[in-house]
Amino acid sequence: EIVLTQSPDTLSVSPGERATLSCRASQGVGSNFAWYQQRPGQAPRLLIYGASTRATDIPATFSGSGSGTEFTLTISSLQSEDFALYYCQQYHNWPWTFGQGTKVEIK
Amino acid sequence: QLQLQESGPRLVKPSETLSLTCTISGGSISSSSFYWGWIRQSPGKGLEWIGNMYHRGSTNYNPSLKSRVAIFADASQKQFSLRLTSVTAADTAVYYCARPSAYGDFVSDWGQGLLVTVSS
Repeated sequence: EIVLTQSPDTLSVSPGERATLSCRASQGVGSNFAWYQQRPGQAPRLLIYGASTRATDIPATFSGSGSGTEFTLTISSLQSEDFALYYCQQYHNWPWTFGQGTKVEIK
Repeated sequence: QLQLQESGPRLVKPSETLSLTCTISGGSISSSSFYWGWIRQSPGKGLEWIGNMYHRGSTNYNPSLKSRVAIFADASQKQFSLRLTSVTAADTAVYYCARPSAYGDFVSDWGQGLLVTVSS
């Protein structure tokens, strides 16, 4: 199974600043890669698929990049509602797997 | 607008069988454009994709759970179910039903999730 390792575990950022989250895959996954946001008590919400395509209704402040084994999610200017947990997912090889998550907290 | 809702017992005893149902509103299992899945989230293992059911009833399961899991559709085509046998405390988790996107194996629609605790 492909293991996804996210870094850092926690990211402390001030509102309005940029946040950069990383995810590394244990083997190449092409662009079969997604990012999700999860707020407390809610199900994850799809942000990015195909490594860089924003999902429906996701603001342009969210962007994804990377391919192969290294991926990045960038939030260009953090709003209050963006402080949450973020997960990466690969869908290149079954079973589809998720990273352990990065918590973005207010600095 | 698709809506998914999980239901079932919130407390299951060790060694017994966990059975959950997902009720679909605004869609149908019979659509060939989509498949349906179960995902769980626990503090210990994070998010884990359990398995999928396809419109003709075929399935695939996470190898880590394959010997204990079954996913199947209800005759109404508006529900599908998860059955997990011989549960232990490690199966305590929030269980989500999900519909991956027609464009790839990522989840565009999630249920709200149901916390199931395995305890005597």
